[in-house]
Amino acid sequence: RKEVEQDPGPFNVPEGATVAFNCTYSNSASQSFFWYRQDCRKEPKLLMSVYSSGNEDGRFTAQLNRASQYISLLIRDSKLSDSATYLCVVNPTPGGYNKLIFGAGTRLAVHP
Amino acid sequence: GAVVSQHPSRVICKSGTSVKIECRSLDFQATTMFWYRQFPKQSLMLMATSNEGSKATYEQGVEKDKFLINHASLTLSTLTVTSAHPEDSSFYICSAESAGRSYNSPLHFGNGTRLTVT
Repeated sequence: RKEVEQDPGPFNVPEGATVAFNCTYSNSASQSFFWYRQDCRKEPKLLMSVYSSGNEDGRFTAQLNRASQYISLLIRDSKLSDSATYLCVVNPTPGGYNKLIFGAGTRLAVHP
Repeated sequence: GAVVSQHPSRVICKSGTSVKIECRSLDFQATTMFWYRQFPKQSLMLMATSNEGSKATYEQGVEKDKFLINHASLTLSTLTVTSAHPEDSSFYICSAESAGRSYNSPLHFGNGTRLTVT
């Protein structure tokens, strides 16, 4: 089993749609979680951290379910500029190194 | 915010040659730098963790004699791909962590180096 698994996609949605991505992680001791965005042939860029109580940043909402070892990202009112690959990222080392484990990513394509 | 610069952004080399990639932290001192590799349509895979002034820690399956890492200062780490082969063609990305950064802080990445070995 992979340490971090994601829906592979691609998700093809029209502008304005709401889309949700799922991610599961295998190490129950993991303490920190992130969503990164990666555009084609570019480096990953932090989209948002994921907190235990869930958190929202504009059109983006992240949720964490520790019991199920499940993370989600919801994007509302999709824009063309949201088209990218979304990476679920986990630090499996509690209190230790910032050694991140990346999911393979979910590709999103928003069309007019 | 933290800025990490990586150079070159793209390199094409012939099989058997060596390629050096630089990773610099521009506005902070990086005690730890990480080197990742990403093949097409795959996730980023950690290759090694580089600590200033000490030997790098390599992940399982990564040849330390092939991927030489040097972290001689608090702002610079280099990755040298020695005797490159076509299967080493990939996207190499570094990230850096400053002293005192907590474990739940996100990492910031360099802009990556696309290596093509012909």
